[in-house]
Amino acid sequence: KAGVTQTPRYLIKTRGQQVTLSCSPISGHRSVSWYQQTPGQGLQFLFEYFSETQRNKGNFPGRFSGRQFSNSRSEMNVSTLELGDSALYLCASSLGRLAGVSYEQYFGPGTRLTVT
Amino acid sequence: QQQVKQSPQSLIVQKGGISIINCAYENTAFDYFPWYQQFPGKGPALLIAIRPDVSEKKEGRFTISFNKSAKQFSLHIMDSQPGDSATYFCAASTGKETSGSRLTFGEGTQLTVNP
Repeated sequence: KAGVTQTPRYLIKTRGQQVTLSCSPISGHRSVSWYQQTPGQGLQFLFEYFSETQRNKGNFPGRFSGRQFSNSRSEMNVSTLELGDSALYLCASSLGRLAGVSYEQYFGPGTRLTVT
Repeated sequence: QQQVKQSPQSLIVQKGGISIINCAYENTAFDYFPWYQQFPGKGPALLIAIRPDVSEKKEGRFTISFNKSAKQFSLHIMDSQPGDSATYFCAASTGKETSGSRLTFGEGTQLTVNP
């Protein structure tokens, strides 16, 4: 099976702009989660989508949003970019949490966002 | 209560030695504990995972030890190799079917295996 793919891999944006990142999960996986990785804060959960519905959300401002399409592909959007948004944004694909069991999350290579 | 504490922050081991990384958690609702390996410029790769109904799980040179009463779990890398040099993250997860699940990560351990 193909792994998780993320596009673009690298992105440079200016403060105040907005950005959209894309994630294609492993075939058959209906859950897509997004994480932000920075040297200072480590890996932090942004949100999870399952069957086009946001089920879980981390502690990030409303400038961070996402959506999931019927084919399970997901996009993440950040509006009004700030310098502190520079990070590696990671997408993880999973079967989800079913019957009381959390299934494995597989990460993509990430999108490196630099805000200048 | 959602935190996962990981130690040490960095670890240097000689080739052939045993690398041990420890994690501790507070939230007793956590029910899934994976370990991830990350190389520079790459996303985290799932290494091995354990659920709290077992105390140990071994896959090749990698072993997770789990102590539910102490709320601690650790990763042991036997016969460490220079190719194991990477950053290792422990994580924990809980959730419900209606609200999904999220991974809470430890701070990471930078492992260097000297040849």
